[in-house]
Amino acid sequence: DQQVKQNSPSLSVQEGRISILNCDYTNSMFDYFLWYKKYPAEGPTFLISISSIKDKNEDGRFTVFLNKSAKHLSLHIVPSQPGDSAVYFCAASGDGTASKLTFGTGTRLQVTL
Amino acid sequence: KAGVTQTPRYLIKTRGQQVTLSCSPISGHRSVSWYQQTPGQGLQFLFEYFSETQRNKGNFPGRFSGRQFSNSRSEMNVSTLELGDSALYLCASSRDRARETQYFGPGTRLTVL
Repeated sequence: DQQVKQNSPSLSVQEGRISILNCDYTNSMFDYFLWYKKYPAEGPTFLISISSIKDKNEDGRFTVFLNKSAKHLSLHIVPSQPGDSAVYFCAASGDGTASKLTFGTGTRLQVTL
Repeated sequence: KAGVTQTPRYLIKTRGQQVTLSCSPISGHRSVSWYQQTPGQGLQFLFEYFSETQRNKGNFPGRFSGRQFSNSRSEMNVSTLELGDSALYLCASSRDRARETQYFGPGTRLTVL
């Protein structure tokens, strides 16, 4: 049972445009959500997080939106850069910490010139 | 400060053998979690250790075990290896305060022949 789903396995975006990565979850107990970026042969790198008490969190070019009623979150990258090309994972936690995360299967983002 | 380190980075074993992987967390981090990443399943939570005690456990068979030492370093052991155990094993550490993120190591690539 996949509790965190990323239905788009891949996404291609032109440099300078907006990248929107989506994530859906089924477990209503999740209250903390994170996005990670992963390059080949490296561990995931933390990007941005959001608590369930918020609906938006912004950090530079990265913004995460949370729609609790739809159990949906999205990551916006504006403007997209070639260095953003990587696999992006959303993750969720239900105990207020980041110690036990449930991950989605990832979306491979390719930013083209 | 130094990041999460994992040793070895690559490992080749044969079916039936056992293997031990090591993880050194970021200094001051007391929580260490282990994840398995495979192409089909994404990142799956194995277990989490905090203050030398297993605090959370994922849905993996008993062949997968771990421990944590007083200096927060952790080891993970897999006995009676199966072909399906071939994966990237990732370790992550956090300070275990609410809303803290996890920081991942580069992983150990295990290949079972």
